[in-house]
Amino acid sequence: SYEVTQPLSVSVALGQTARITCGGNNIVSKNVHWYQQKPGQTPVVLIYRDSNRPSGIPERFSGSNSGNTAILTISRAQAGDEADYYCQVWDSNTWVFGGGTKLTVL
Amino acid sequence: EEQLVESGGGLVQPGGSLRLSCVASGFTFNIYSMNWVRQAPGKGLEWVSYITGSSDTISYADPVKGRFTISRDNAKNSMYLQMNSLRDEDTAVYYCARDEVAVGDKYYYYGMDVWGQGTTVTVSS
Repeated sequence: SYEVTQPLSVSVALGQTARITCGGNNIVSKNVHWYQQKPGQTPVVLIYRDSNRPSGIPERFSGSNSGNTAILTISRAQAGDEADYYCQVWDSNTWVFGGGTKLTVL
Repeated sequence: EEQLVESGGGLVQPGGSLRLSCVASGFTFNIYSMNWVRQAPGKGLEWVSYITGSSDTISYADPVKGRFTISRDNAKNSMYLQMNSLRDEDTAVYYCARDEVAVGDKYYYYGMDVWGQGTTVTVSS
């Protein structure tokens, strides 16, 4: 079965740029979606199909996908961005979530 | 407002059964595929099962295959998850989440863009 790998944690200084990776074999051939989950809340879709933002999601959140790595980029990080972030792909009629990355804003 | 509301969670002994329900409102339920996603305490998201709007395609994660059954009743704007032979490791918050929308013979995906608040399933003796 297909696996996607995320770092357990990423730290970023306030106002700087954070990059969260999602690795998978030839992941560029798949559509990657990203979710944010704050403590005690339900997940929210940040990016769908690699780089598309739903309405209401700030432009500070962007996505890219190339080779074996998809990246969620968070520009001008804010304290409110502290959360768990998950990537997601569709493979063989199943959804696969990454293990999640905890973002800490310093 | 587009909304999903789960119910049916609770405490059950290992080997027992539960039936979860998810009721949709505020959108045309029958043109959307749907999912069950779970999250064990302190753990990440784990996809459980998927069903298309017409129920013609259904899939399951390997850990629940043969034990869980997904279904839906579009007349009642509802989706269900019948969970049998429950194990300790099935303990989690179970969310229903909206998937792709069918427009004619095409499907459009915008992420799992609507989630319920979750219902807690605890499997313990």
